[in-house]
Formats: sequence, C-alpha cells, structure tokens
Amino acid sequence: NAGVTQTPKFRVLKTGQSMTLLCAQDMNHEYMYWYRQDPGMGLRLIHYSVGEGTTAKGEVPDGYNVSRLKKQNFLLGLESAAPSQTSVYFCASSYVGTYYGYTFGSGTRLTVV
Amino acid sequence: AQSVAQPEDQVNVAEGNPLTVKCTYSVSGNPYLFWYVQYPNRGLQFLLKYITGDNLVKGSNGFEAEFNKSQTSFHLKKPSALVSDSALYFCAVRDLSGGYNKLIFGAGTRLAVHP
Repeated sequence: NAGVTQTPKFRVLKTGQSMTLLCAQDMNHEYMYWYRQDPGMGLRLIHYSVGEGTTAKGEVPDGYNVSRLKKQNFLLGLESAAPSQTSVYFCASSYVGTYYGYTFGSGTRLTVV
Repeated sequence: AQSVAQPEDQVNVAEGNPLTVKCTYSVSGNPYLFWYVQYPNRGLQFLLKYITGDNLVKGSNGFEAEFNKSQTSFHLKKPSALVSDSALYFCAVRDLSGGYNKLIFGAGTRLAVHP
C-alpha cells in the first residue's frame, strides 16, 4: 500500500532550468495538493486539484504550474527555477475535501543554485 | 480569511512530564481543526482532528487536544512525554475560500523531549 509517492526525492537545479515533480496516489482520492515547506513559515499551498482535469491556485502559485491529466497523478512544474524556489515540496491527497484529513508524501528537497 | 497561529517556535519538556503545544485559530463558521506531526526527513502524519462533538479529542500515541471555542484555541496535550515524541508539530484549519476545501497550516512548533 504505497499511499502518496513523490519523485524525485532530491534535486539540484541551476537558475533558469526547468523540472517537473511527480506525485502519484493509489487511494482513489479526488483531491490533491502541492505545498512548500520553508523554515519558520510552515506549509504554504501552491496549487491544488479537486478532480481529474481541474486545478486551482493556492497561496503562493507564482512561478509554478500544475497538471492533473489522470486522477492518480498531480504534476508540479517549474518553468524557470529561481533560488527563491529552494524548498521542500510536499504532495498530499484527500478523499474529498478535509473531513478525513490528508495523506502526505515524503517530500522532495529542491535546491536552486 | 482563515488562519492558524502557533505562538511557540519550540517547546522543551523533560521525559515523563506533561506537554502542551499551543494553537489558536481564526475562522468564519464552524472550524475543522487538525494536528499533524512530522518526524525528520518524513512527510506529515495525521494525529487527530476536531470536527464536532466532544471538546476533548483523542488521537494516536496518547495525544489529545482540547477545542475551546471561547478562546479560539486547539492545544495539543499529552500527560507524559516520551523522547520519541520529539518532532515538528503542525496545527491546521479548514479553509473554504475559493469554494473548495483545503487546509491552512501553522508555522509549526518543534517539540524537544529531553531524557
């Protein structure tokens, strides 16, 4: 029972490079979320999706794009990485909304140099 | 807008002593409140939640939290701390802005339990 799987676990990018973070869940959850975690700031919501083919902006969406082409996958893209995007990125999923809480992945540590 | 505050960056407690990690919230309507724990190099794990009903909510590993509507607080407690409880704890509240359910997290409180 894998739950929520994030790939890659670690990545170092040069400024201006692009990359895609993959989140996959096997729990048939409708909702999926991308958060970033920075020291002293907790988790901030980047984008989320309430179903296949839908996406919406969270608190800090600038510089990121997302896609949810399949229900089980939620991709986070950085088109032109900046040092300010150095962070730990967490994906989460939930059945519907927040009533049952979230299941989190183990995170992706991204460093932009 | 919904928000949640954790006023302490770090809480230090001796093993065997009771612990409290504080959380206050600001929401419109009835709050959904959650506590999550994060161990080093791991994702967040669900501890407990308050949706409705009894103000004292029990979770895993002996943790509990008390919902106090008049003080808009949802403090996490445990009667006897263990060294293995040392971790980063996050309080979260449901946010309905934009028409969809999502969680807003506090900044986190690091709990250090000393032998």
